[in-house]
Amino acid sequence: QVQLQESGPGLVKPSETLSLTCTVSGGSTSSDGYFWGWIRQPPGKGLEWIGSSRYSANTYYNPSLKSRVTISLDTSKNQFSLKLSSVTAADTAVFYCARSPRSSGYRLEYWGQGILVTVSP
Amino acid sequence: QSVLTQPASVSGSPGQSITISCSGTSSDVGSYNFVSWYQQHPGKAPKLMIYEVTNRPSGVSNRFSGSKSGNTASLTISGLQAEDEAHYYCSSYTTSTTLVFGGGTKLTVL
Repeated sequence: QVQLQESGPGLVKPSETLSLTCTVSGGSTSSDGYFWGWIRQPPGKGLEWIGSSRYSANTYYNPSLKSRVTISLDTSKNQFSLKLSSVTAADTAVFYCARSPRSSGYRLEYWGQGILVTVSP
Repeated sequence: QSVLTQPASVSGSPGQSITISCSGTSSDVGSYNFVSWYQQHPGKAPKLMIYEVTNRPSGVSNRFSGSKSGNTASLTISGLQAEDEAHYYCSSYTTSTTLVFGGGTKLTVL
């Protein structure tokens, strides 16, 4: 059974960089058969796809966030990470990591439980 | 503003059927059969209910079904149960190799 778990600071100051890690069990981030992605959900609002990355392949980002986002895979630790720079209060959200099979149109079949990140001084 | 348009809310009585629409464009819903539907209960992560327009993952009740016509996809839940009360989100792959979501629909079981 694939499991994903987000971790990182729950509070980030404005203008700083938000950094989160997703630890994967029951699956491998070094498999080229899956995309590993991030999705966020501001409190009381809907879902927003941030981006997805696949081993030995391209990483794809939401155009509205692309200039501030980096998604990386760490296959030695079976993890992947999210970095979002120059954050503002509008970036406050629950962040989810998720897995999508290759050639599935980013079908998000497994999700982490989510982590709330608040941007505040 | 979300890229895909869903009704903000729908409701139905136990045992009834409801349908939630998801309207997109020829650049997303209309271009691929990569439409998914997710169920989200309060405080929980979304759960995949339908993928590739009509397919159900293992373990999802056959009361949930999906369809698509042109640029609009739909999720139908038959035999409504109290546990179906949740938010539902559609998503679609796009011609720009991105993923877009609908704004979400709150289903109330009366």
